[in-house]
This record gives sequence, structure tokens and C-alpha cells, in this order.
Amino acid sequence: NAGVTQTPKFQVLKTGQSMTLQCAQDMNHNSMYWYRQDPGMGLRLIYYSASEGTTDKGEVPNGYNVSRLNKREFSLRLESAAPSQTSVYFCASSPRGDNEQFFGPGTRLTVL
Amino acid sequence: GDSVTQMEGPVTLSEEAFLTINCTYTATGYPSLFWYVQYPGEGLQLLLKATKADDKGSNKGFEATYRKETTSFHLEKGSVQVSDSAVYFCAQYSGGGADGLTFGKGTHLIIQP
Repeated sequence: NAGVTQTPKFQVLKTGQSMTLQCAQDMNHNSMYWYRQDPGMGLRLIYYSASEGTTDKGEVPNGYNVSRLNKREFSLRLESAAPSQTSVYFCASSPRGDNEQFFGPGTRLTVL
Repeated sequence: GDSVTQMEGPVTLSEEAFLTINCTYTATGYPSLFWYVQYPGEGLQLLLKATKADDKGSNKGFEATYRKETTSFHLEKGSVQVSDSAVYFCAQYSGGGADGLTFGKGTHLIIQP
């Protein structure tokens, strides 16, 4: 079992560029999540998906879109990157919403 | 709204010292509570959890007890090691759907030999 995998590990973008962060889990979990981690801010929820075909906004959704492609995969898209989106992004999955979450290794994104 | 407050640190201790990292929560109802650990360059890993009042979660020598009367879930370890150096996050799940965990800001723990 690979658990939760994320690609890429590192990315540098220029302001205005777009990109998609990929996340996949092989644990047959229903729920998946995207967080961002910033110094002194802890982790903040961007979007989540309770099940295949559904997505909902979290605490900080502005500037992001998501797609729950199938049960395994949940991608995060930045349409027009801004320096304020420089952060470390973590994907997580859970058997159900009230249970332990399993985290991927993170993507470190820098927007210049 | 729901929130989690924890001491931010950094907390610096000598090897074999006793550790306490404080965590308090605000929530309606009775949330499930978690401690996660993040080692440098890695994602978060679940350290321990408790789902109801007076439950004690434990793992790798760490313990935390769910105290409803003080809305707290303090993390303790009797004798820390250099390998315990990491960032520790307290988190809660308050219910209402699959809308993720609410995290504290994290406590950076540094253990010196």
C-alpha cells in the first residue's frame, strides 16, 4: 500500500500561471481533503470531498478548484497563481468524515 | 466557531525530560480529538486519538486524556528522546459531515541531547 501519494513534490510558478496538484489514495477511502500549511497558521482546509462525485468548500477555497475524478483521485487546480498561494499543500483521505485522516507527503509550491 | 488552541513554541527540552504540550478546544457537542506529528519534510501522521470524555489515547510513550470538564487534551510523555523532535498538532472533529479536522497551529518541539 502506497497510502496517499501527491505529485509533484516541489513546484515553482510565476504569477498568473496555472497548475494542477495531483493526489491519489489506495485505501478505498470515501473522504478526501486538500489543506494548505503556512507558518504560524497550522493547516487550513481548502476543499473536501465526502464521496465520489461530491466536493465542498472548506475554510480557504478562493483561488482554487477541485475535481474528484474517481474514488481514488482528488486534484487541486490553481487557475491563476498568486504569491499568496505560496504554501505547502497536503492531501488527506479518511474512511469517513469523522475518522482518522491519512496524509500525503505534501507539495511545496512557490509562486513568484 | 470551533477552534483548537495549543502552545506554539518552540519548546526546547533536554533528552529524558518530561513533556507536556497543552491543547484546549472549543466546540458544540463532544468532538473527537487527535494528536498528529509532523517530522521534517514529511506529512502528518496520527499519533493518538480519543473519541469520548475520559478516554486516554496512547502511542509510542505519548499519552493524552480527553477532559470534557476543562475542554483539554494535553499531550504528555515521561521521557523524551532526540527522535521526538518534530511539530505536534492537536486537532478536533466536531461532526456535521465529512468537512475535515480543525487543527491547532502546531507546537515545534526540539529535544537536545
